[in-house]
Amino acid sequence: DAKTTQPNSMESNEEEPVHLPCNHSTISGTDYIHWYRQLPSQGPEYVIHGLTSNVNNRMASLAIAEDRKSSTLILHRATLRDAAVYYCILSWTNFGNEKLTFGTGTRLTIIP
Amino acid sequence: EAQVTQNPRYLITVTGKKLTVTCSQNMNHEYMSWYRQDPGLGLRQIYYSMNVEVTDKGDVPEGYKVSRKEKRNFPLILESPSPNQTSLYFCASRGWTSGRTDTQYFGPGTRLTVL
Repeated sequence: DAKTTQPNSMESNEEEPVHLPCNHSTISGTDYIHWYRQLPSQGPEYVIHGLTSNVNNRMASLAIAEDRKSSTLILHRATLRDAAVYYCILSWTNFGNEKLTFGTGTRLTIIP
Repeated sequence: EAQVTQNPRYLITVTGKKLTVTCSQNMNHEYMSWYRQDPGLGLRQIYYSMNVEVTDKGDVPEGYKVSRKEKRNFPLILESPSPNQTSLYFCASRGWTSGRTDTQYFGPGTRLTVL
């Protein structure tokens, strides 16, 4: 399985942008990059995903390096509700089972 | 509202007493799966199902069973629970578009303690 590497924890001030990095140097050409987050006492929640081009949605933006060996999740204006563990995941397909292999993620703390 | 529900949310049981954790989704998704989450290990897939009557093992299937008799339901069965199955369990479902994953929706989790 291709692996991802994320910092264990990050802090950011409320109402400021947050850039969460992820390294995936062994990514293959067909792997999608997904981001999920897990708020305290909840199940993981989809944030965004992409393949090669940068992606935007109402929650966040995903910037993917040209060589696809790294990506950055951007929260444009962090709020206290964004405090969560953020998982960068590569999805890969094995006989039709597209697997999301979760690592340990980055714990994001928002400082009021 | 699109959702995945799990019951019970919390369960304390004893070794060897069979139990079932139910999972239901209202999005008509073909794909459903079960994960367990343990400190330092992230989420690991237990079993998955690509459609009714189609199930297969994930990464950590030992000690678990599943069934998929209806599209909306995917129960997780522990025939003889042991303390090493104490964990936080998540059910998830997703649709399938052009052979690639759609958004995966997770349930709220079931915290199981086996004494």
